[in-house]
Amino acid sequence: EVQVVESGGGLVQPGGSLRLSCAPSGFIVSNYWMHWVRQAPGKGLVWVARMNKDGSRTDHADSVRGRFTISRDNAKNTLYLQMNSLRAEDAALYYCVRDFVGAEEVWGQGTLVTVSS
Amino acid sequence: QSVLTQPPSASGTPGQRVTISCSGSSSNIGNDNVYWYQQLPGTAPKLLIYNNNRRPSGVPDRFSGSKSGTSASLDISELQSEDEADYYCAAWDGSLRGYVFGAGTMVTVL
Repeated sequence: EVQVVESGGGLVQPGGSLRLSCAPSGFIVSNYWMHWVRQAPGKGLVWVARMNKDGSRTDHADSVRGRFTISRDNAKNTLYLQMNSLRAEDAALYYCVRDFVGAEEVWGQGTLVTVSS
Repeated sequence: QSVLTQPPSASGTPGQRVTISCSGSSSNIGNDNVYWYQQLPGTAPKLLIYNNNRRPSGVPDRFSGSKSGTSASLDISELQSEDEADYYCAAWDGSLRGYVFGAGTMVTVL
C-alpha cells in the first residue's frame, strides 16, 4: 500500500528546533514533488514547503522562509522538514504530502508540533 | 486572513445542490489552476478537484469544479449526509511564490 508516515513532532520551547521526517512506503520520494502542509488545531490548511523531483528546487511559504528548510535523503528515501526558531504560531499538525494537488496525491496522518514554554 | 476567500458555511438538505465559491486575484486563481479539498472530521484532507475541473479517480461525479477569471466554485449535486465536511480551495500564488488556501467552508447536511 502506498502511504507516507510522518514522525518527529513533539513539545518544543519557543525559539527551539525540531526536525520532522516523512518515510514513504510503496514509492520513492525522488520520483515525486514532495510537500509539507500544516494545520493548527481547529484552523485551516497552510502550505509550508515543497521540493521537486531531482531535489534542485525548493520553495517555502513566506511565514517560514529563513526558519524552515525542506530536504531529502535519497539513500534513506526520507523527506525532512528542519524547523528552527520555532514560534507559538508554528504549533500545528504537520502533514507530508506526495504530489500535492496532483492526481497521485497521498497524505500522511500528520505529526503534531506543540510550541510552548 | 486567507488569500483566497470562501464563505464560512453552507448547508442543504439531502438531494439538494450546494455551491461553494472561492475568490482570489490575478496572482493566484487568475493565472493558475484551482484545487478543491474535502476534510472529514479527524482525517487528512482529500483532493476532490484538480486543475479547475478534473476529478481524481474514485471521486464521485456529484462533485464538479469550475473557474472564471479570478473566481472558482465547487458544486455538490445531490447532497448526501456523508458530504458533511470542511471544503478548502487552493491555488499557486505567483507573487507569494507558494500555494495558498481559502479559510474553508463547513458544509452541513440538514
